[in-house]
Amino acid sequence: EADIYQTPRYLVIGTGKKITLECSQTMGHDKMYWYQQDPGMELHLIHYSYGVNSTEKGDLSSESTVSRIRTEHFPLTLESARPSHTSQYLCASGGQGASGYTFGSGTRLTVV
Amino acid sequence: QQPVQSPQAVILREGEDAVINCSSSKALYSVHWYRQKHGEAPVFLMILLKGGEQKGHDKISASFNEKKQQSSLYLTASQLSYSGTYFCGTEAGANNLFFGTGTRLTVIP
Repeated sequence: EADIYQTPRYLVIGTGKKITLECSQTMGHDKMYWYQQDPGMELHLIHYSYGVNSTEKGDLSSESTVSRIRTEHFPLTLESARPSHTSQYLCASGGQGASGYTFGSGTRLTVV
Repeated sequence: QQPVQSPQAVILREGEDAVINCSSSKALYSVHWYRQKHGEAPVFLMILLKGGEQKGHDKISASFNEKKQQSSLYLTASQLSYSGTYFCGTEAGANNLFFGTGTRLTVIP
């Protein structure tokens, strides 16, 4: 079944640690996105990609980085986690033509 | 570039109707609507691609006024399952979606 997967679902990590949030989709979408969302708040675009080897920063400044080496895979990395990075991170793909975005289940990150 | 939604929150009894508005300060290429239930990911409802377009399925429909740079989502005869936060997403030519501030809808029996 075509879908989009994020791991881990929940992550609690200490300050200064390096982390990678995984996102994979099986729908063959060229466009993929990372959004950051605090509880009950709006979604902010932090990174996007229009295809392999294409990555751009979104409207919300983020200390994270992304890569797009394969169409289906769009991981997000934080080199040194800080408490200010505590949030939910949502990966999405799609948005071509008349189709909307499909979101993954999200990773709820807590940095202590 | 973030669109503004109104109202911020609304409480309905089952069977009542609601309208959620989404306004942008920029000319819009398209408008998306999503619903997010607590603790879950946003789920795509519909997309409107051109001014004057209206869409709907079941008892949820939407309109897009290109000139006024706004869209409205209409929920008719609300059901308990309609509860959640509704977000509009707008594309202003950059091919990226900017989400609105959200409208929290609660349907009570």
